[in-house]
Amino acid sequence: DTGVSQDPRHKITKRGQNVTFRCDPISEHNRLYWYRQTLGQGPEFLTYFQNEAQLEKSRLLSDRFSAERPKGSFSTLEIQRTEQGDSAMYLCASSLDAGQFLYGYTFGSGTRLTVV
Amino acid sequence: GQSLEQPSEVTAVEGAIVQINCTYQTSGFYGLSWYQQHDGGAPTFLSYNALDGLEETGRFSSFLSRSDSYGYLLLQELQMKDSASYFCAALYGGSQGNLIFGKGTKLSVKP
Repeated sequence: DTGVSQDPRHKITKRGQNVTFRCDPISEHNRLYWYRQTLGQGPEFLTYFQNEAQLEKSRLLSDRFSAERPKGSFSTLEIQRTEQGDSAMYLCASSLDAGQFLYGYTFGSGTRLTVV
Repeated sequence: GQSLEQPSEVTAVEGAIVQINCTYQTSGFYGLSWYQQHDGGAPTFLSYNALDGLEETGRFSSFLSRSDSYGYLLLQELQMKDSASYFCAALYGGSQGNLIFGKGTKLSVKP
């Protein structure tokens, strides 16, 4: 397995545009998480899926953000009408259902979004 | 809301031992994890403590005291490659996916 893959690695967009990021988790992991990280801060939880079901969303996640995991495999995170405050590293992680804490989350290298 | 506190920066020399502390809010706490992140890299899982006591994994050990709402990561025989940010992370309440991360401690290892 090649680990958690995220695409693209970098995205520069103009304010007001929509962007979509993709995450491919480790194949046997049925849990998938999205986090956001800004410089000098820890990862901040956005949402998570168990298989195809989105089980939890952060209250910080505005209506402009939406995530899907249609077949319980890859996931997409879309941001509509981007704002400069959305500039951050968007991290995807996956884990086993059982042992998610014993074995931890496996993070991808992230998508760095810059809104200009 | 829940939050974790850890020092922002620590500096140590090669071969030394360093301890990175983390305090957390007790209500609904399940367990404490530690992650390492090199500049420009992805966070990588180091350890998890659900019960009080010390867990050892090679040069790294992690400790938890539920009565003190406190944990630490101990790094021994420091190497230059250990220079990175270290995050403590905890799960609260009924959430099964919302792992709360601290702001991280930037460790600089000097020769």
